[in-house]
Amino acid sequence: AQKVTQAQTEISVVEKEDVTLDCVYETRDTTYYLFWYKQPPSGELVFLIRRNSFDEQNEISGRYSWNFQKSTSSFNFTITASQVVDSAVYFCALSVNTGTASKLTFGTGTRLQVTL
Amino acid sequence: DGGITQSPKYLFRKEGQNVTLSCEQNLNHDAMYWYRQDPGQGLRLIYYSQIVNDFQKGDIAEGYSVSREKKESFPLTVTSAQKNPTAFYLCASTMGMAFTEAFFGQGTRLTVV
Repeated sequence: AQKVTQAQTEISVVEKEDVTLDCVYETRDTTYYLFWYKQPPSGELVFLIRRNSFDEQNEISGRYSWNFQKSTSSFNFTITASQVVDSAVYFCALSVNTGTASKLTFGTGTRLQVTL
Repeated sequence: DGGITQSPKYLFRKEGQNVTLSCEQNLNHDAMYWYRQDPGQGLRLIYYSQIVNDFQKGDIAEGYSVSREKKESFPLTVTSAQKNPTAFYLCASTMGMAFTEAFFGQGTRLTVV
């Protein structure tokens, strides 16, 4: 069975601070993908990034960066110079091979509050 | 614009009633999913469908039913057998391949009164 743990329930930062959201996963599959989604107050989940289990390169996209470490089963997400618009719930998720479906196992989410 | 439309946004149900949540997509995606979100528990998979006229149970299928008669539509019925139906329900779709990113609707908040 798969499991994703996001130990940080809520994080509050002041605008322009850097913040890291932690994600630890468990799976016995050797081929898997990890995802991060953002859930703004409107409710829908917005896709941020996908990373496969064979690619441990860190990725940077603007103010966002992701650090994938198979040795510690972690896929952490850092927001640099946070902004009020970053306030949302962030979910880490794991997908293993299930045919043509892309079923996701989600963590419990981290609520990020960015204040002025 | 392509996307996923869920309706209604808010739904109130009396105990003992069945209710159906609508999910329509115009992304031409093959696979569709229903997730349930409860506070502090993240999202859990209820049912998913990889092709028309076929669907599989997810982790928490008891008390729910689905149909997939058209590629664009994947309605979810919450039956009276679901003991604790109050939750936020999210529909999603993906291309017909493993590991692709999911697109989500804006959700339906169901409350039992």
